[in-house]
Amino acid sequence: NAGVMQNPRHLVRRRGQEARLRCSPMKGHSHVYWYRQLPEEGLKFMVYLQKENIIDESGMPKERFSAEFPKEGPSILRIQQVVRGDSAAYFCASSPPPGAIETQYFGPGTRLLVL
Amino acid sequence: AQSVTQLGSHVSVSEGALVLLRCNYSSSVPPYLFWYVQYPNQGLQLLLKYTSAATLVKGINGFEAEFKKSETSFHLTKPSAHMSDAAEYFCAVRGTGANSKLTFGKGITLSVRP
Repeated sequence: NAGVMQNPRHLVRRRGQEARLRCSPMKGHSHVYWYRQLPEEGLKFMVYLQKENIIDESGMPKERFSAEFPKEGPSILRIQQVVRGDSAAYFCASSPPPGAIETQYFGPGTRLLVL
Repeated sequence: AQSVTQLGSHVSVSEGALVLLRCNYSSSVPPYLFWYVQYPNQGLQLLLKYTSAATLVKGINGFEAEFKKSETSFHLTKPSAHMSDAAEYFCAVRGTGANSKLTFGKGITLSVRP
């Protein structure tokens, strides 16, 4: 059973460009979470999605960031007009539909570098 | 609101020594607590989780953690450190339903000396 897959693993963008990060959840998982790991700041929640729905986006920056999880295909985290402060590791996690104790399984991350 | 505190950012132990990584939580409801490990340039791997079934939780690689409600703690221990345990360790608390996001502590880097 393949784990959570993320691509690309490394992404380099110049300021002002767009970054698209992809996440394919584990088989059978219909819920996806995105987290960001900034240097010296630890892991912070960004957004929680299920197929075609955003459940919780309380951690998303108000501008330039968006996320989707379409009926078919991977979840996409999109960052428009990137700035140097967006440089970070972005992790996706997936889980089965929420019950009481389901575990989130993490992908290897996408490391974004903004020049 | 839920939160986790991991005191200290770095712990160094000798190979074969006890590992103790501290985690205290704050939660208005019975918490679900997790320890994850992150090796350099990799994702997070689940070590163990507390889900109210038992207060002493055994995980992978010889790690275990004890949930103490009176102390709001969930400290991670391993009796004998191995060089391969060198990594960053994160404690996290999770809600339920629409609030099922993980809230992480800042993480602790464990170094193991030969």
